[in-house]
This record gives sequence, C-alpha cells and structure tokens, in this order.
Amino acid sequence: KNEVEQSPQNLTAQEGEFITINCSYSVGISALHWLQQHPGGGIVSLFMLSSGKKKHGRLIATINIQEKHSSLHITASHPRDSAVYICAASFQGAQKLVFGQGTRLTINP
Amino acid sequence: SQTIHQWPATLVQPVGSPLSLECTVEGTSNPNLYWYRQAAGRGLQLLFYSVGIGQISSEVPQNLSASRPQDRQFILSSKKLLLSDSGFYLCATSRDGYEAFFGQGTRLTVV
Repeated sequence: KNEVEQSPQNLTAQEGEFITINCSYSVGISALHWLQQHPGGGIVSLFMLSSGKKKHGRLIATINIQEKHSSLHITASHPRDSAVYICAASFQGAQKLVFGQGTRLTINP
Repeated sequence: SQTIHQWPATLVQPVGSPLSLECTVEGTSNPNLYWYRQAAGRGLQLLFYSVGIGQISSEVPQNLSASRPQDRQFILSSKKLLLSDSGFYLCATSRDGYEAFFGQGTRLTVV
C-alpha cells in the first residue's frame, strides 16, 4: 500500500532554532514533494526531490532512497515560517500523489 | 511552466444547494488532474483523479462527482451539499506522476 507518514504532527520552536520535519514512505517513489500551506489555505510547492539534496534560501530538503525517508530543514527559523508543511509522494507505477498528514509548525518570536 | 487556476477561493453555501468548483491548467497538455479535500484538522485526501478527457476515477464514495469536459479543465460538483462537505478543496496536476503543481484551493463552508 502506498503510504506517507510525517513527524512530528505539531512543532513549536523559538525564533532562530534549527527545524527538522521528517517524512517516510512505504515503497518506491518517482518523486517526493515538500509543500507549505499557510493559514489561508493556499499551497506552495517548496521542493521536488528524487534523490540527494536541494536548498533554497533557509530551506533544505534531503532524501534517502534506500531508507525511504526525506527531511525538510529550516535554518534560522522565523515567525513567518509558521505554516503547515506537507510531504507528498508520487509512487512508481501509480497515477496519484499521496499526501502525508502535515506538520503544523509554529515559530515564536 | 504549468499554472493551475482554481476558483472560487472561498465559498459559503447552504445545505442542499449545488456546487461547482472549476480548475483549469495552462502550460501543458494531457495532464493528470486531481481533486483533493482537506477536512478540518486532517490531511489531504484524494477524491478524484483523471488521466484524460471523460476519464474519472473515484477514490472514496461520497456526495461529490467530477467531470473533465476538456483536456485542461476539471470540475468538482455536487447536486446537494451536506454539512460534511465543508473543507478545503485543492486541484492539482502532474505529468507522468512526476512534477506536481497545485491550485490555491477553495475553502468551502456549508451552513
């Protein structure tokens, strides 16, 4: 069964802290996506990964294909990073994306 | 690059009224199209997906239906809304299950 699990479900941290959100999946994927959803609901695509590591500003996404695991890191976190972060997988041979439950991140000033 | 247009952004509808949410895609042809729903406090759940005109697959039984009258148009409908239909509806597209693009979503409140 194609499944995506995220942890933690909720994360509260102080401004400046290093943040890590984890995502694991059940079987082989063709791509893994990290998305950001703000309180208004709109979703922004942050990264698409099939191997290795990608960096954009203070955001870093890594994926370990052998361990079926991906992480999203935020360096020098800021209150404006507060949002729900979602990982989603495109499974090999499947037509659809499968989403994790999301991680609600709150950064306090 | 692909762009998804989804509207409206917010919608308040009475119980028993009809629903039509529209999603259109630019910048690609023959995309896979998806409708997802996010109930309050929960993750995104796949409702329907389509791999071509007139081809609709339903993932969960529900009060909703979907149609794809044109290659880049995907419509989510209901004849009579229920309170439980409230939620955040998201249209997405991908090509070959690889890179994915997302609409801004529609927040539906059924009252």
